Amino acid sequence: DVKVTQSSRYLVKRTGEKVFLECVQDMDHENMFWYRQDPGLGLRLIYFSYDVKMKEKGDIPEGYSVSREKKERFSLILESASTNQTSMYLCASTKRMSYEQYFGPGTRLTVT
Amino acid sequence: AQSVSQHNHHVILSEAASLELGCNYSYGGTVNLFWYVQYPGQHLQLLLKYFSGDPLVKGIKGFEAEFIKSKFSFNLRKPSVQWSDTAEYFCASRNNFNKFYFGSGTKLNVKP
Repeated sequence: DVKVTQSSRYLVKRTGEKVFLECVQDMDHENMFWYRQDPGLGLRLIYFSYDVKMKEKGDIPEGYSVSREKKERFSLILESASTNQTSMYLCASTKRMSYEQYFGPGTRLTVT
Repeated sequence: AQSVSQHNHHVILSEAASLELGCNYSYGGTVNLFWYVQYPGQHLQLLLKYFSGDPLVKGIKGFEAEFIKSKFSFNLRKPSVQWSDTAEYFCASRNNFNKFYFGSGTKLNVKP
């Protein structure tokens, strides 16, 4: 079974803090994605990566950065958290030639 | 810009009723289309996908979807819903640059 895990299910941070969200997949997938999920807006792509040290901006990259130092791990960084970044964050991965995304359980981040 | 529209935000049905959820996409090039489902408290998981060939695609749990290129549509159907189908359903597209776009989601509530 493909497994995508995320470091925390729930996280509460203060405005201005630096926040790290970690995602790990165990199926040797090349592509990894970070989305945020908000009611009525569906999933919006923040960043994706198709290889180690490679990254591409999604539709809403502002306020976020990413890091992919190892194939299995893709980190989302909020340099200075703000209240409008309160959301559910989902990580996903796919094999290069397969388009089926496998999702993690999500991290519900609250910024106060 | 590429986008996916889901017109029904919240659908309430009785068990055994037929289901059709609308999905329209905007990309004019080659597109791959997907329906994902998120059961309460669970990960997003793939219901079905369309890449090419037969426009009528069958997925898991009795779901099917029809790709109509002329209408840019990929509607999800099920002849007879069950209480266990209560979930949120997302339509998604993928373009040639490996970017995925999700609709805003449709919450389905099936009354027993």
